[in-house]
Amino acid sequence: AQTVTQSQPEMSVQEAETVTLSCTYDTSESDYYLFWYKQPPSRQMILVIRQEAYKQQNATENRFSVNFQKAAKSFSLKISDSQLGDAAMYFCAYRTPSRGAQKLVFGQGTRLTINP
Amino acid sequence: NAGVTQTPKFQVLKTGQSMTLQCAQDMNHEYMSWYRQDPGMGLRLIHYSVGAGITDQGEVPNGYNVSRSTTEDFPLRLLSAAPSQTSVYFCASSYSSRGPNEKLFFGSGTQLSVL
Repeated sequence: AQTVTQSQPEMSVQEAETVTLSCTYDTSESDYYLFWYKQPPSRQMILVIRQEAYKQQNATENRFSVNFQKAAKSFSLKISDSQLGDAAMYFCAYRTPSRGAQKLVFGQGTRLTINP
Repeated sequence: NAGVTQTPKFQVLKTGQSMTLQCAQDMNHEYMSWYRQDPGMGLRLIHYSVGAGITDQGEVPNGYNVSRSTTEDFPLRLLSAAPSQTSVYFCASSYSSRGPNEKLFFGSGTQLSVL
């Protein structure tokens, strides 16, 4: 069974600095997709960034980027120039094409605090 | 568009009571699913549906029933609530299933407490 592990229950960073959230996963599949979701206190689930396993280039979305290490099964999220609005729970998630978009496997989550 | 609408937003039940969490989407999505979120465990898939009349179990289906009589609605039923079902429940939908760019739309969640 596929599993996703986020080993950092909580992280904190000073405003304007950079923080990296860790995620590892276990799978025997060669084709899959990885995601980072943000959940602010409003409980809304917001897709931050996605990565396709067959793409070697790391995905970036403005201040958010990933470090995808396929051999190590690692998928970390880097947030640059942290802002107060980045404070939230962050979830790493995985799925394969055969599992379908509605069947994500989530990690345990990392609560990110931004210190002003 | 309203997107994915969940009702109620908050609910308190006594052990043994039954209730239905409602989920409706107005995007004509074929695929819908229910997740529960517990501290330290992330979100876990309860049940999902790939179209009207078709449902299947996810990772943690015990204690929950679903049906999908229309494309728009996907209610989640708790027949006899237990304290272990205290959680935040999310409904989600997507247009199709396979593509990497297929986006999952989430509702705003229902916080359920079972005493």
